[in-house]
This record gives sequence, structure tokens and C-alpha cells, in this order.
Amino acid sequence: GAVVSQHPSWVICKSGTSVKIECRSLDFQATTMFWYRQFPKQSLMLMATSNEGSKATYEQGVEKDKFLINHASLTLSTLTVTSAHPEDSSFYICSASPGRGFTEAFFGQGTRLTVV
Amino acid sequence: GQQLNQSPQSMFIQEGEDVSMNCTSSSIFNTWLWYKQDPGEGPVLLIALYKAGELTSNGRLTAQFGITRKDSFLNISASIPSDVGIYFCAGQYNFGNEKLTFGTGTRLTIIP
Repeated sequence: GAVVSQHPSWVICKSGTSVKIECRSLDFQATTMFWYRQFPKQSLMLMATSNEGSKATYEQGVEKDKFLINHASLTLSTLTVTSAHPEDSSFYICSASPGRGFTEAFFGQGTRLTVV
Repeated sequence: GQQLNQSPQSMFIQEGEDVSMNCTSSSIFNTWLWYKQDPGEGPVLLIALYKAGELTSNGRLTAQFGITRKDSFLNISASIPSDVGIYFCAGQYNFGNEKLTFGTGTRLTIIP
């Protein structure tokens, strides 16, 4: 199956700093990638839809200036958590689909962010 | 954001037992997907359903796409220890690069 890789797998940062998370589709091109956030013992909540070459579409309640998304190529999308605070600590997961008849979305392994 | 209602929220079963869980929505979906998530990992696709009424199997797993397009269920037969994890349903309105709406999850625990 298609492989989606996230980096880093985990990160600890100080409050007030920014953190960048990468999501790569390793063996296919993805015009669209999705970013989710998952708090402990909760479901995945969609944060934004990342479109290659255009601005991301954010879900209601998600601050676009805080969660910067860049989809610079067909295989890479990045999520930057700016001025991170402890409440931003969460599990961030990306997904991508090859499209063209593929209906399934493939997920990265996730990034555990801890803000101290 | 919208979430799909999954039940039960958690299950404690003995190895070898069958498992059944379901997912309901207030709105229709054209694709239903079932994922399993292990701790600290991303979800892994188990079964995809594309047509109302469709019944699909993948080994010991069987899932059905509800005829109203507002629900789906997943059965696991003869559970084994590696079945432990959290199971999520997800609905998708359009094919391809369309966002998923996830269910609340069912946590499966196998009692020794």
C-alpha cells in the first residue's frame, strides 16, 4: 500500500517556540493532504485540508495563524505550530490519498508534540 | 467538527470471542471506512465500503454499509490478542481526496 511518513515522531518544545512537522507521501503524489489532531483517548479531529500550490482550508475553530500549513510539492506538506503553548500538546496525524480512483486515505505514524 | 457516534465505547472480551461494533451518523456518506489504531501510531485501514448494503470481509473482519447510508457495522470473529486497539469508523462523502469524518472510537481489550 501507499506509504505516508511523518517527521518527527515526537518532539518536546518550550512554550513560546515554534515546531514544524513534516508529512511526506513516499511512493505516490498527493495533491491533497489532511492534518488531524488527536487528544488522549479521543478521536481524530480534522484541522485542515492542505492543497498543493494553494492555501490550506481550515476547519471551524482552528486558528490558521497558529497552525501554518505549507504544501509546497506533491509529496510534502508541513504543519508549523507557532508560539506553542501547553494546550497545543497533542498527537498530530497527517493523511494523504493518491486520488485517481483510490478512495482510501493513508495515514502517517503521527507526531507526539509536548509543550513544556 | 462533526463526529460519528460509535458504540460501544469500550469492550472487554476473552480471546476467541466475536466482537461487534457499529457507527451511526445523522447525515449520509457515500463511503464508509474502518480503521484500527495502535497506541502511538496512525490509523491503519481495515475495510472500505463503497455501496449501500455492501457486505465486505477481510479475513476475520466483516463490515457492512448500512442501506440508509447513515450507519455501518464491523464484526471481528474469533478475536486474538493482536486485535487489541482502538477501532474507528470514518465516513467520506465523495471519493478520492475528500476529508474523512471519524467516529468516536471503540477500544477493544482482551482479557487473559
